[in-house]
Amino acid sequence: DTEVTQTPKHLVMGMTNKKSLKCEQHMGHRAMYWYKQKAKKPPELMFVYSYEKLSINESVPSRFSPECPNSSLLNLHLHALQPEDSALYLCASSPSPRNEKLFFGSGTQLSVL
Amino acid sequence: SQQGEEDPQALSIQEGENATMNCSYKTSINNLQWYRQNSGRGLVHLILIRSNEREKHSGRLRVTLDTSKKSSSLLITASRAADTASYFCATDLRGAGSYQLTFGKGTKLSVIP
Repeated sequence: DTEVTQTPKHLVMGMTNKKSLKCEQHMGHRAMYWYKQKAKKPPELMFVYSYEKLSINESVPSRFSPECPNSSLLNLHLHALQPEDSALYLCASSPSPRNEKLFFGSGTQLSVL
Repeated sequence: SQQGEEDPQALSIQEGENATMNCSYKTSINNLQWYRQNSGRGLVHLILIRSNEREKHSGRLRVTLDTSKKSSSLLITASRAADTASYFCATDLRGAGSYQLTFGKGTKLSVIP
């Protein structure tokens, strides 16, 4: 299995909602990432988990809360988001946190109303 | 800040022609990678070139790296309509912590059948 699976593919939420994005990989990778991508822009790093520990938080607002329950799963909990948080949220994994090849999921297209 | 700057921002060619995209960066790197993204989808890793390499091939792809000019180019030969996508360079900055893969702004390639 060489896939990174993200669910849901699309999500529409109001500013008072709480929702979660889910990411799963079964490649035995020990580094997992969340990226945010606005339309026609490059992906921007949000969080990095290395060996299930949060290694990097790129000054992301607290309304985004990551969680890594085990080495195969990565969640992003969303609460009280703003319309400007609407974007494609991409999960990625790599065998180790050495900036070599990243494997990306297809993303969750999030719209905040 | 964005490390990589792709040039051109958009490129339109006929099927069968070659497509060349360039990437410039500002600081020393450990490696440079190229990724492809179909519209609204995840990124797919294409090729990685290390700072001590000058050229690398993979199928119809040819990547060059000139560390003295801090630039790289991606050549796609004999393009196909299926090559239509956005292409991003990503740099692993030397001296930065692990996990810091920084994406450039991307080149949008359109291959006309």
